Amino acid sequence: GQNIDQPTEMTATEGAIVQINCTYQTSGFNGLFWYQQHAGEAPTFLSYNVLDGLEEKGRFSSFLSRSKGYSYLLLKELQMKDSASYLCAVRRTGGFKTIFGAGTRLFVKA
Amino acid sequence: SQTIHQWPATLVQPVGSPLSLECTVEGTSNPNLYWYRQAAGRGLQLLFYSVGIGQISSEVPQNLSASRPQDRQFILSSKKLLLSDSGFYLCAWSESGLAVHNEQFFGPGTRLTVL
Repeated sequence: GQNIDQPTEMTATEGAIVQINCTYQTSGFNGLFWYQQHAGEAPTFLSYNVLDGLEEKGRFSSFLSRSKGYSYLLLKELQMKDSASYLCAVRRTGGFKTIFGAGTRLFVKA
Repeated sequence: SQTIHQWPATLVQPVGSPLSLECTVEGTSNPNLYWYRQAAGRGLQLLFYSVGIGQISSEVPQNLSASRPQDRQFILSSKKLLLSDSGFYLCAWSESGLAVHNEQFFGPGTRLTVL
């Protein structure tokens, strides 16, 4: 089967660090994406991992462990504008089909 | 630069009525195109994707259909809408070929309410 699991909601404080976890079980693996989606808007691309390890991009980092079927998105120096849903998505091998998780709604409080 | 357009932005339709949502991409050639639906508080469900003109792959059985009459035009249709068709419809594109990233770029979406 195919399954992507993320926590439904998280709350963190402005200026803090938050880690959003994602576990997946899919038929084949050809990369993991993180997208940010503000309420009522379209998702926007944040990061991509295809090899094990950490990818850093400014305040955002993403980690992948293929053997564990696990990824996390790390957000540092949280800002109020980071309040959004964060979608974990896995691309399957052999094509372009990408499976999306239900997303984690992050609330950043002052 | 590339841009993706979707229209209409919002739509309220009665059950049993037809549907046509349009998506166009500018600034790229031979993109992969996708239609997703997002129910309230849920993840994105892939409905259709296309790797070229006239080539459509359907991911879930349903009363929706898709067509790609031109390279950068993708249309989602239904002959008779159901209540369960309500949702946020997103069109997306990605570069063709199996490049390293192939991240998807999403359009602004159409919010469909079926009454």
